[in-house]
Amino acid sequence: TQLLEQSPQFLSIQEGENLTVYCNSSSVFSSLQWYRQEPGEGPVLLVTVVTGGEVKKLKRLTFQFGDARKDSSLHITAAQPGDTGLYLCAGAFLLSGGSNYKLTFGKGTLLTVNP
Amino acid sequence: SAVISQKPSRDICQRGTSLTIQCQVDSQVTMMFWYRQQPGQSLTLIATANQGSEATYESGFVIDKFPISRPNLTFSTLTVSNMSPEDSSIYLCSGSRTGVAGELFFGEGSRLTVL
Repeated sequence: TQLLEQSPQFLSIQEGENLTVYCNSSSVFSSLQWYRQEPGEGPVLLVTVVTGGEVKKLKRLTFQFGDARKDSSLHITAAQPGDTGLYLCAGAFLLSGGSNYKLTFGKGTLLTVNP
Repeated sequence: SAVISQKPSRDICQRGTSLTIQCQVDSQVTMMFWYRQQPGQSLTLIATANQGSEATYESGFVIDKFPISRPNLTFSTLTVSNMSPEDSSIYLCSGSRTGVAGELFFGEGSRLTVL
């Protein structure tokens, strides 16, 4: 079983602060994804990182995939109240047959950004 | 992104009864999954819904408790049988497309409360 450890579990910060969420595993993943979930909604995909060392930016969010494809981080610059939500990392690995994937999710980080 | 809709969005049920959740996806989706998300928790995979055959269940989940059907490519149901308060949770339908690094699209979830 591939396990993903995500930290911190809870984070409460003031508007304008920066933060980083970490996702670590002993397993190598084909890709790693970050999702955000708001209350009453399903998770929404933010980004997929595939290549070791890859860095992707989405406005104030920066995602990095570790060189060994075992870990990832999400950094938010100048957080805003609209960033509040549950952030989930998910590691994907190929199923036998080679064309479909299965995901394992981290426990999530509940972020609250106070105005 | 793929479109996934599920219903009901929420329900309150009595102990010992069963509830069926329906999920409709668009034609881009090839694989369908059912997840459970307990309050304040991350996502746990219940099973992969296989078209025209029995679902593939994860450890800790059994067909008698969570029968799943997928009669065609774009429709699936999950039944929560003989419910107890411990089954109170959000149940999420999700889908992925072949070869897109395992990215998942989620329905809005069905929030189930068992009294």
